[in-house]
Amino acid sequence: EVQLVESGGGLVKPGGSLRLSCAASGFTFSDYDMNWVRQAPGKGLEWVSSITTGSNYIYYADSVKGRFTISRDNAKNSLYLQMNSLRAEDTALYYCARISSLTSNSYGSGAYDYWGQGTLVTVSS
Amino acid sequence: EIVLTQSPATLSLSPGERATLSCRASQSVRSHLAWYQQRPGQAPRLLIYAASNRATGIPARFSGSGSGTDFTLTISSLEPEDFAFYYCQQRADWPLTFGGGTKVDIK
Repeated sequence: EVQLVESGGGLVKPGGSLRLSCAASGFTFSDYDMNWVRQAPGKGLEWVSSITTGSNYIYYADSVKGRFTISRDNAKNSLYLQMNSLRAEDTALYYCARISSLTSNSYGSGAYDYWGQGTLVTVSS
Repeated sequence: EIVLTQSPATLSLSPGERATLSCRASQSVRSHLAWYQQRPGQAPRLLIYAASNRATGIPARFSGSGSGTDFTLTISSLEPEDFAFYYCQQRADWPLTFGGGTKVDIK
């Protein structure tokens, strides 16, 4: 069974940092592009960042570029999101999501066939 | 950035009725469009990929159509568990974008 389990969320002050992790199991993690998607409370979905299988291609939303860093460790079946200089508008539930192999373009985009349950990040003083 | 506009924002229907949800793109996304269902307190679930292909395990009452800039998700006969939020998403160009969502609620 495919499982994605996020962790690392919490309450942080503006300007602070957090590192999110996503532990993957039930599939060959190194074969799949991965993304982070977030959802502010009561709002819609927003793509945050993408990374390909070998970390060769990485993309960010303009809203997080220069502040967030996506990475992965295929040996540990894990995806990460280092978040620095956090702002109130970064408050959201952060999901890690797997790109479906049926829709992957090998550059990190596609449709998301599996999602974690999310980890909540709250940025507030 | 490709903007996806979903309509209506809310669709109030009764169980057994047909639901028709629209997603319009600000420029062509060819067939690179997906649909997701999100129930309260749950992660999104992939329903349709590449505009018209049902994802694994998705009931046949869900269907997708369209290409270019205009797309439709149809639920042929609403079941109680179908009352939820629905989002479209494009992967034709960066940044990846989602529509604002349509809420299907019980009339």
